[in-house]
Amino acid sequence: GAVVSQHPSRVICKSGTSVKIECRSLDFQATTMFWYRQFPKQSLMLMATSNEGSKATYEQGVEKDKFLINHASLTLSTLTVTSAHPEDSSFYICSASGGLTLGFYEQYFGPGTRLTVT
Amino acid sequence: GNSVTQMEGPVTLSEEAFLTINCTYTATGYPSLFWYVQYPGEGLQLLLKATKADDKGSNKGFEATYRKETTSFHLEKGSVQVSDSAVYFCALSDRGGSQGNLIFGKGTKLSVKP
Repeated sequence: GAVVSQHPSRVICKSGTSVKIECRSLDFQATTMFWYRQFPKQSLMLMATSNEGSKATYEQGVEKDKFLINHASLTLSTLTVTSAHPEDSSFYICSASGGLTLGFYEQYFGPGTRLTVT
Repeated sequence: GNSVTQMEGPVTLSEEAFLTINCTYTATGYPSLFWYVQYPGEGLQLLLKATKADDKGSNKGFEATYRKETTSFHLEKGSVQVSDSAVYFCALSDRGGSQGNLIFGKGTKLSVKP
């Protein structure tokens, strides 16, 4: 099946610094990638959708200048959390879609990245 | 707005027990409905889906029926195994099952004891 990886799996950074999270589709071309955020015991919340070569579309309430998303190739999207603060600590999950298959766009999810801001 | 409510866990069952995880939704129009499973240390995987009323999704012994009259999509399995231990997420897509805009429930952790 389609595999999506994320790197790093865990990261700890100091308040005020920036951290980059990578999301890669390993065996398929991802025309669309999604970034989610998950708080403890909460749902996954969609942050933004990005199509390769285009600017990301952010969900209402998500600061695009704080959460920079780049989808420069069909296999790689990056999420950069700029000037991180403790409230940005969370579990970030990406997913990727390779297009229409059997009438359905299936999303394949990465294993997630645990960000802790101290 | 659209939302998904699923029963809170954790749910602990003995092997071969019957499983039901309740899921109800609120949506305008005709959403597609999904169950995702997340095994320890792994990403979410699509378990099954249904795209219209009365559809039954099934996979790996799990099944769920899209009930428009009760706005429900309950997950069931007749006989669980230890390997079914995972977190299960109910979700809906309000754009006809197409890319993006998945709205998830909070997840239900299932633990199956031998």
